[in-house]
Amino acid sequence: KNEVEQSPQNLTAQEGEFITINCSYSVGISALHWLQQHPGGGIVSLFMLSSGKKKHGRLIATINIQEKHSSLHITASHPRDSAVYICAGNGGANFGNEKLTFGTGTRLTIIP
Amino acid sequence: GAGVSQTPSNKVTEKGKYVELRCDPISGHTALYWYRQSLGQGPEFLIYFQGTGAADDSGLPNDRFFAVRPEGSVSTLKIQRTERGDSAVYLCASSPDPGREQYFGPGTRLTVT
Repeated sequence: KNEVEQSPQNLTAQEGEFITINCSYSVGISALHWLQQHPGGGIVSLFMLSSGKKKHGRLIATINIQEKHSSLHITASHPRDSAVYICAGNGGANFGNEKLTFGTGTRLTIIP
Repeated sequence: GAGVSQTPSNKVTEKGKYVELRCDPISGHTALYWYRQSLGQGPEFLIYFQGTGAADDSGLPNDRFFAVRPEGSVSTLKIQRTERGDSAVYLCASSPDPGREQYFGPGTRLTVT
């Protein structure tokens, strides 16, 4: 069982739809990261959070420490949001200091 | 300012050869990380530097892999006697301090034929 699991693995939606990507982790962490990876490989950090909720533009990330669960939401989705979204955890006794342990990613495709 | 850069962007080598992959972190970032991403998978941790020293090299798969950061800035990942299974995208990231947001480079795509 992976320490970080994401769902769904693939998601296709129409432009304008509200998108939710889920991430669950099995052990304690100090921070949860959401990353975006476009075709060609470049990874961009979207959020780093350890509690509550963060918002940046149309993106919202939430985390529930007790349930070991985080969600990434995209409002008013647009074709340019098409990418792979990856969650990763760091810190905590099992995850190990500052290195990131990654989920396998969710491939999002937004159709115009 | 400039982001994390990695060279080369692509490297094709024959099985058994030696390769070096370079990472230039963001200036002033003390923490530097190497990850490896195989096709269709999430990245996997290889090694983490704090300054010049390797603080955690638990992700290096075997002794064919070695990394250095002699002056606390540029880092080189070295792979000896390459195998086809080493083919992957090698990602470098840097962070102002350990435990803070990581900034990723574009990666080096290594293909071992």
